[in-house]
Amino acid sequence: AQKITQTQPGMFVQEKEAVTLDCTYDTSDPSYGLFWYKQPSSGEMIFLIYQGSYDQQNATEGRYSLNFQKARKSANLVISASQLGDSAMYFCAMRTNRDDKIIFGKGTRLHILP
Amino acid sequence: KAGVTQTPRYLIKTRGQQVTLSCSPISGHRSVSWYQQTPGQGLQFLFEYFSETQRNKGNFPGRFSGRQFSNSRSEMNVSTLELGDSALYLCASSLGRLAGVEEQYFGPGTRLTVT
Repeated sequence: AQKITQTQPGMFVQEKEAVTLDCTYDTSDPSYGLFWYKQPSSGEMIFLIYQGSYDQQNATEGRYSLNFQKARKSANLVISASQLGDSAMYFCAMRTNRDDKIIFGKGTRLHILP
Repeated sequence: KAGVTQTPRYLIKTRGQQVTLSCSPISGHRSVSWYQQTPGQGLQFLFEYFSETQRNKGNFPGRFSGRQFSNSRSEMNVSTLELGDSALYLCASSLGRLAGVEEQYFGPGTRLTVT
């Protein structure tokens, strides 16, 4: 069965430090995509970054990068130079080619401290 | 470019009633997905529509239904509401995987409270 695990329910990080949010996944489908979303307190989900299972390089989008370790089934999100506005809930998600539904992890609440 | 809009933003209903939520995708987007978010179950996929056809469906009872119109606007309906249906319902639109695009844009959600 497909599964996404985020083991950090909450994190506190000093402003300007780098942050790594953990995500592990489980699937037997060789073709899948991994996503990270940010959900501020306003409730709206914001797409951050996408990594395909066959992508050779780790995805990057501005201050966000995805540390994709396929053998370990790990897709950690790295935020460089954190900002106060990064305080939010972060969700890791996966869609497999076979199932074609997006499943989400339970999320990590990130607090950036001034 | 206008984002995804959802109406209403807040809704209070009584057990046994039915409710219809609306989602207008970004112009040009043909794929609309619906999600339910609760503190206990987290984010769960409800269904996805593309060009008026339901492409995929999550593990929800038949009380949850949806449709998509020719202008890509989508509605979801929940009949015979139960207390457990209280949740934030999120709609997301995208160009669709057939267009080779994975990125989804979410609306602000509809907060449904069932009393």
